[in-house]
Amino acid sequence: QSALTQPASVSGSPGQSITISCTGTSSDVGGYNYVSWYQQHPGKAPKLMIFDVSYRPSGVPDRFSGSKSGNMASLTISGLQAEDEADYYCSSYTTSSARVFGGGTKLTVL
Amino acid sequence: QVQLVQSGAEVKKPGASVKVSCKASGYTFTSYYLHWVRQAPGQGLEWMGIINPSGGNTNYAQKFQGRVTMTRDTSTSTVFMEVSSLRSEDAAVYYCARGSLTGATSRFFDYWGQGTLVTVSS
Repeated sequence: QSALTQPASVSGSPGQSITISCTGTSSDVGGYNYVSWYQQHPGKAPKLMIFDVSYRPSGVPDRFSGSKSGNMASLTISGLQAEDEADYYCSSYTTSSARVFGGGTKLTVL
Repeated sequence: QVQLVQSGAEVKKPGASVKVSCKASGYTFTSYYLHWVRQAPGQGLEWMGIINPSGGNTNYAQKFQGRVTMTRDTSTSTVFMEVSSLRSEDAAVYYCARGSLTGATSRFFDYWGQGTLVTVSS
């Protein structure tokens, strides 16, 4: 199972919006509405930000949103804040009942 | 509150085995899947496998089949993950993470342990 494809890095200024893409195949991202996104600060465990493509767990700000079209999912963060600077990972369920992560995207808030 | 507390850091020699534990609290242990995910230094997340704490059924990533064993002890609400024949590439932080309710497709990880650093060095 190959990792999902994410850009290595994205950046934005406070208050701006950014989007992180996550590209897979019809065997994972495109085949199920089971994409999730995780935020990881240095030295910390990942934190669930989005599940089932576009649902936010309780406590996650509504500045975070998710979507999917075909084999590509996206995470959008609007109104960027300094504390959003972190690594972000997408994940998907797959046809082999495995789970797969993306390679991760480093978000820099300028 | 939901908590997953993992065992402490380990240093192992190549060829040895390591067993990491993950003690769950704050919810019904047998009602939720548990996953193991690892992260090599400076690298991304890698899914290793899943265990159903209720029946003990497991599903391992193809890469780890034959070398990873996941078990559970319902009396202590603890899951274990053992990696055998360790090599340098197995040096990583190993996380346990709670999945969805058993009986449903476990499709995200909502609570994570603090991570266990495994060092492999001769």
